[in-house]
Amino acid sequence: GNSVTQMEGPVTLSEEAFLTINCTYTATGYPSLFWYVQYPGEGLQLLLKATKADDKGSNKGFEATYRKETTSFHLEKGSVQVSDSAVYFCALSESTTGFQKLVFGTGTRLLVSP
Amino acid sequence: NAGVTQTPKFQVLKTGQSMTLQCAQDMNHNSMYWYRQDPGMGLRLIYYSASEGTTDKGEVPNGYNVSRLNKREFSLRLESAAPSQTSVYFCASRNSGGPQQFFGPGTRLTVL
Repeated sequence: GNSVTQMEGPVTLSEEAFLTINCTYTATGYPSLFWYVQYPGEGLQLLLKATKADDKGSNKGFEATYRKETTSFHLEKGSVQVSDSAVYFCALSESTTGFQKLVFGTGTRLLVSP
Repeated sequence: NAGVTQTPKFQVLKTGQSMTLQCAQDMNHNSMYWYRQDPGMGLRLIYYSASEGTTDKGEVPNGYNVSRLNKREFSLRLESAAPSQTSVYFCASRNSGGPQQFFGPGTRLTVL
């Protein structure tokens, strides 16, 4: 079946450092890809998405490019802030019997220190 | 717009007790979902509802039941709680026209 693999955390960075969180996927067909963010004590919020190969999703300084050839959707940010500390989930959409469901990775915790 | 709301926020149960987690959305979405979140395992789908009046099992349905009461509400019931059901439960909804799911704030459940 479809699956998403994320790098293990936590990722610990100093403020203004460059961030990469790796995400690779296994899927039949061409799913949409997502990054969701979960701040402490809250639910998941969509951070960015890409619906087809070579699309770049971006939001709040974060970017990720849908790479079909490497089946990857790595999350990047040029300069992280303390407020970016959260858990980040990579996900793909799959459709079975015509109904869309999300398959999530295990999440990567990011800790940014001043 | 409140989005997706869940009650309660926290709950402690004893093994064998029952309870219902409530979820409601005010975005007129057709599809609704229940997930559980456990450390190191991401989110796993328990049940989903494609539209009012329909429900289907997800990845981990055992020990749970659901009711799609109307278009707004989708409840999750634990008939006889077990310690293995200690988790954080999230409800989500989606508009049929788009891929994005909108999540509630979660219910943290502890079963002793």
